[in-house]
Amino acid sequence: DAGVIQSPRHEVTEMGQEVTLRCKPISGHNSLFWYRQTMMRGLELLIYFNNNVPIDDSGMPEDRFSAKMPNASFSTLKIQPSEPRDSAVYFCASSLQRGGADNEQFFGPGTRLTVL
Amino acid sequence: AQSVTQPDIHITVSEGASLELRCNYSYGATPYLFWYVQSPGQGLQLLLKYFSGDTLVQGIKGFEAEFKRSQSSFNLRKPSVHWSDAAEYFCAVGPRNYQLIWGAGTKLIIKP
Repeated sequence: DAGVIQSPRHEVTEMGQEVTLRCKPISGHNSLFWYRQTMMRGLELLIYFNNNVPIDDSGMPEDRFSAKMPNASFSTLKIQPSEPRDSAVYFCASSLQRGGADNEQFFGPGTRLTVL
Repeated sequence: AQSVTQPDIHITVSEGASLELRCNYSYGATPYLFWYVQSPGQGLQLLLKYFSGDTLVQGIKGFEAEFKRSQSSFNLRKPSVHWSDAAEYFCAVGPRNYQLIWGAGTKLIIKP
């Protein structure tokens, strides 16, 4: 398996522009997570999908952020409009949530976003 | 409240020396416990996990961790560190069917 795939790996944009980050989870995984990592705040969970349905989006900073998972093999995180404080590394992770256990998450390589 | 505490933000260890990274948690049920490692510029990779059974868990790259219920701890150890172990290490606690609660991370620095 190719692992979790994220694109782009690096994104530089100007304040006010729309940014779309993409994620392809591992085939067969039924849960997907978007994280943001910054020096100041560390690793933060933004949103969690299970079976393509958003279960917990309490970590989404504000309405400028939105995430979708139209099918089991694709998710997007959109920021519109972007601001300099959104500069961070955004990770996507996926896992197989079964009835009992196994919360191991597999992380993608991340997208480094810089908003000028 | 559920939480994970990694009390050491940075740890510096000489190459070849032993290592112990601390992790304490507060969790209302039987925890599932994880250690992840993040090398510079990389995503996180699972080192080891504890679900049940033997409280001493072996992981990849020569790491091990011991679950101590009485101390609510899950410390990570390695008998002899290598320069390639320089990275940031995250402890996490998970319920059965939901997302993980993450510690703030400990950055490991290796002295030659």
